[in-house]
Amino acid sequence: LAKTTQPISMDSYEGQEVNITCSHNNIATNDYITWYQQFPSQGPRFIIQGYKTKVTNEVASLFIPADRKSSTLSLPRVSLSDTAVYYCLVGGIYNQGGKLIFGQGTELSVKP
Amino acid sequence: ETGVTQTPRHLVMGMTNKKSLKCEQHLGHNAMYWYKQSAKKPLELMFVYNFKEQTENNSVPSRFSPECPNSSHLFLHLHTLQPEDSALYLCASSQDSRGEQYFGPGTRLTVT
Repeated sequence: LAKTTQPISMDSYEGQEVNITCSHNNIATNDYITWYQQFPSQGPRFIIQGYKTKVTNEVASLFIPADRKSSTLSLPRVSLSDTAVYYCLVGGIYNQGGKLIFGQGTELSVKP
Repeated sequence: ETGVTQTPRHLVMGMTNKKSLKCEQHLGHNAMYWYKQSAKKPLELMFVYNFKEQTENNSVPSRFSPECPNSSHLFLHLHTLQPEDSALYLCASSQDSRGEQYFGPGTRLTVT
């Protein structure tokens, strides 16, 4: 099973770019990498998903090196409302016996 | 967002009670999940249903009993719970089992 490791917490200021790295040394060939955001007392919300190289959407970018043993979530120009816990998720396909595993989560605090 | 709804939002129950949590998804998805989130801990996957079939039981005690009557509804039946079962219980759904999951708001359960 691919276990993930993330920093427990990070601090940033409004307008800065934030990069959160997740390590997943045992990632399997059919595993995707997904990042979620969670505010207190709410369910997690999907941010971005990728398999390799770089993926970008309207809220974030995901960088995945060739060996896929880590991934970096990049949040451009964060605001106070980006204060949340960010989870790195590595998982495969259930009908092939894969499992989804959430990391510890990184608590991001954005300050004025 | 109303894609995935959960009821009740809050529940207090005694150790001898029997109660059920309900989850409904309006997204036309085929996979549904139950997660447990205790304070300061990562999300723990409990059960997975894919096309109404249970494909994952993550060593969950038998006092938690899932039911998936159709692909839109998922229940978690609770009986003789312990105080340590107090947590936020989250339901999620996805189009397939590859990763992008949509979470409900959760049920905050307190066992007294």
